[in-house]
Amino acid sequence: DQQVKQNSPSLSVQEGRISILNCDYTNSMFDYFLWYKKYPAEGPTFLISISSIKDKNEDGRFTVFLNKSAKHLSLHIVPSQPGDSAVYFCAASLNEKLTFGTGTRLTIIP
Amino acid sequence: DAGVIQSPRHEVTEMGQEVTLRCKPISGHDYLFWYRQTMMRGLELLIYFNNNVPIDDSGMPEDRFSAKMPNASFSTLKIQPSEPRDSAVYFCASRPSPSGNTIYFGEGSWLTVV
Repeated sequence: DQQVKQNSPSLSVQEGRISILNCDYTNSMFDYFLWYKKYPAEGPTFLISISSIKDKNEDGRFTVFLNKSAKHLSLHIVPSQPGDSAVYFCAASLNEKLTFGTGTRLTIIP
Repeated sequence: DAGVIQSPRHEVTEMGQEVTLRCKPISGHDYLFWYRQTMMRGLELLIYFNNNVPIDDSGMPEDRFSAKMPNASFSTLKIQPSEPRDSAVYFCASRPSPSGNTIYFGEGSWLTVV
């Protein structure tokens, strides 16, 4: 039973456009949500996070939105750049543990 | 500062053999996590330690898997005997305490069991 779900295994976006990655969760007790980015043959690296008491957090080109009633979060990247091509994992935190989704492979088309 | 260091980076072994994966967390980090990445299940938490003590091993698949943390700078994940379905990328991660929820990953150990 996946508590954190990323239903889109892959996404292709034109360079310069907006990339929107989605994530759904089932446990309403999660108190923090994070996005990680992973390049091939490397470990995941932290990108951006949001507390469950907020609905938006922005950091440069990256914005994370949280809709608690829908148990849904999304990551917006604008404008998308070729270096953004990677696998993106969303994660949810509860009691010191991070539960990850299965990832979405984002490809930015030049 | 050095990040989380894992070894070996790649391991190919025959079914039935013992496999030992090693991890050196970031100095000063009190928490250490072992994750496994597969296509089907993404990143799964296997076990985590706080101050060298195992806190939650509910993600360990079965008794063939064991993990230890003899001191603050070293942890091992052992699989004995290994099976082809254990083939995956195993990540070690650490974080300081107290802190936010961000954890820092190593580059992973790619395991192939044939």
